[in-house]
Amino acid sequence: NAGVTQTPKFQVLKTGQSMTLQCAQDMNHEYMSWYRQDPGMGLRLIHYSVGAGITDQGEVPNGYNVSRSTTEDFPLRLLSAAPSQTSVYFCASNPKYMGTDTQYFGPGTRLTVL
Amino acid sequence: AQSVAQPEDQVNVAEGNPLTVKCTYSVSGNPYLFWYVQYPNRGLQFLLKYITGDNLVKGSYGFEAEFNKSQTSFHLKKPSALVSDSALYFCAVREYGGSQGNLIFGKGTKLSVKP
Repeated sequence: NAGVTQTPKFQVLKTGQSMTLQCAQDMNHEYMSWYRQDPGMGLRLIHYSVGAGITDQGEVPNGYNVSRSTTEDFPLRLLSAAPSQTSVYFCASNPKYMGTDTQYFGPGTRLTVL
Repeated sequence: AQSVAQPEDQVNVAEGNPLTVKCTYSVSGNPYLFWYVQYPNRGLQFLLKYITGDNLVKGSYGFEAEFNKSQTSFHLKKPSALVSDSALYFCAVREYGGSQGNLIFGKGTKLSVKP
């Protein structure tokens, strides 16, 4: 198993540009989520999905869109990038939404918005 | 609402000494508690979790954590620190049986182990 994979590893955008951060998992997990990590802020939940076709907002959803057309993939779209979205983005998955399951993380995407 | 607090931004320990990284939590019901470690420029790696049963949980790399319900704490410990333990540590909580299945993370504690 590759686990949770993310692409790209690094990205530099100009203000106003759009892009999609890719996330995929090969563990047949129901639950997937996106976090952003900022210094001194820990991990903050952006969006999450409890299964294909179902998504919901987390703590900091503004400026981001998600969709979940398959169990494996959960892309995160930045519609119009802003410098405030400079961060490290992590995708994660676990078998089910609730319960005792461990959450597995991807390696992260480091995004800089100029 | 669920929350997690890691009161120390940084913990400094000499190699070979015991280490403790503190975590307190707040949930309305019973908690599921987790510790993750993040090495520089890497994703988060699972260390250990408390679900139920024995209050002392053993995990990867010689780490353990003690669940204390009365103090709502879940401190991470290791008897003898290694320089290679230097990393960022995150505590997280999920409420048992609650409507929210998302993990709530603390802000992280940077552990620095000096030779």
